[in-house]
Amino acid sequence: QSVLTQPPSVSGAPGQNITITCTGSSFNIGAGYDVHWYRQLPGTAPQLVIFDNNKRPSGVPDRFSGSKSGTSASLAITGLQAEDESDFYCQSYDTRLSGVFGGGTKLTVL
Amino acid sequence: QVTLRESGPALVKPTQTLTLTCTFSGFSLSTNAMCVSWIRQPPGKALEWLALIDWVDDKYYSKSLKTRLTISKDTSGNQVVLTLTNMDPVDTATYFCARSPCGSCSGGTCSSDYWGPGTLVTVSS
Repeated sequence: QSVLTQPPSVSGAPGQNITITCTGSSFNIGAGYDVHWYRQLPGTAPQLVIFDNNKRPSGVPDRFSGSKSGTSASLAITGLQAEDESDFYCQSYDTRLSGVFGGGTKLTVL
Repeated sequence: QVTLRESGPALVKPTQTLTLTCTFSGFSLSTNAMCVSWIRQPPGKALEWLALIDWVDDKYYSKSLKTRLTISKDTSGNQVVLTLTNMDPVDTATYFCARSPCGSCSGGTCSSDYWGPGTLVTVSS
């Protein structure tokens, strides 16, 4: 059970927009720590898609965006494409635990 | 081109010590604001942050595993070693090493932008 809560699954049709949430507490996101987001295809290493809440690494499409407010953060994907289907994880810091990841969200493109 | 690769035993027995090596290229751990992290993922489960070492040899650990973990830099300059003592079947996981730019962060607050492919370690007698 992670201290960062993500919905187990999210789905959307091609072209639609989706949002994945990452809910924490005053010990982590609410304490001001940055949130990072990764996507992971089965059997492969995670890939950084958002760092420091809302920054995109080079090569990541601008369809991906991040935001943070209070004790939560969100990853938004606009114009869903079939190749977006993967698992997504948020990461932050918890004063009780150190680095922490969310439980992961499986994105299905219908 | 930045690359990382994990190496170590695929199978360890309970109570043994696991030693994993991360061999990297395309960047230097002697460079200001560069760090290497270790993260693991049990089969079918979420990622778990383990440890980070920075360019001045400061070390940061998961508080829940701190007593069992050691991270260090090899004298060759392009390797980072992770040891985990007293292995248990619950430690069965794919272990990843990753580059973590750490100019404006420290320890578990840092993101990881390049990852190795991971190495699966099974703990079984």
